[in-house]
Amino acid sequence: SAVISQKPSRDICQRGTSLTIQCQVDSQVTMMFWYRQQPGQSLTLIATANQGSEATYESGFVIDKFPISRPNLTFSTLTVSNMSPEDSSIYLCSVERRGQNTEAFFGQGTRLTVV
Amino acid sequence: GQSLEQPSEVTAVEGAIVQINCTYQTSGFYGLSWYQQHDGGAPTFLSYNALDGLEETGRFSSFLSRSDSYGYLLLQELQMKDSASYFCAVRGYNFKFYFGSGTKLNVKP
Repeated sequence: SAVISQKPSRDICQRGTSLTIQCQVDSQVTMMFWYRQQPGQSLTLIATANQGSEATYESGFVIDKFPISRPNLTFSTLTVSNMSPEDSSIYLCSVERRGQNTEAFFGQGTRLTVV
Repeated sequence: GQSLEQPSEVTAVEGAIVQINCTYQTSGFYGLSWYQQHDGGAPTFLSYNALDGLEETGRFSSFLSRSDSYGYLLLQELQMKDSASYFCAVRGYNFKFYFGSGTKLNVKP
């Protein structure tokens, strides 16, 4: 398994400001994934963070709005920039383990409310 | 692109059996997974099918038919604690996971 520490667990932010979410994994991983989940909705992949290269973003997500850092193989940050109420959501980081099964492990999420 | 469909909500009684279906369209396919998520919690892994057939893990089983782009999760001997949302996820292009819309399972006494 993988232990993922994500912080903050929740925050209330003013519109126009930025919030950086941190994700720490207990072992080295090649890829880290960032998701967004509206309450009661599915998980939408924002981007994939690879150590030593630029993050790759999914359709509808751009680097200026969601800059990502990946300084080493156990840590990543996601920044939600120039926030608006539409950014209110749960943000989750994830890593995968390949073995007999290929599993995704998730942090506990960051519940963001923009007012 | 990626597209996964599953029922939005299912209700069953304790002790019963319930099946949650998932159909998918994806560019690249490396397996179908199932995740459970309780309210306020993170998704947790239940099962993974890379090949056709049935995988059994305790009370949970998962089935995959790659030719039909279809899979299901079977939950037996339902317990109240099984009330949660269940997501199918495809591991597709570039080995990324793409999630279905989720099925909310309500288990009643």
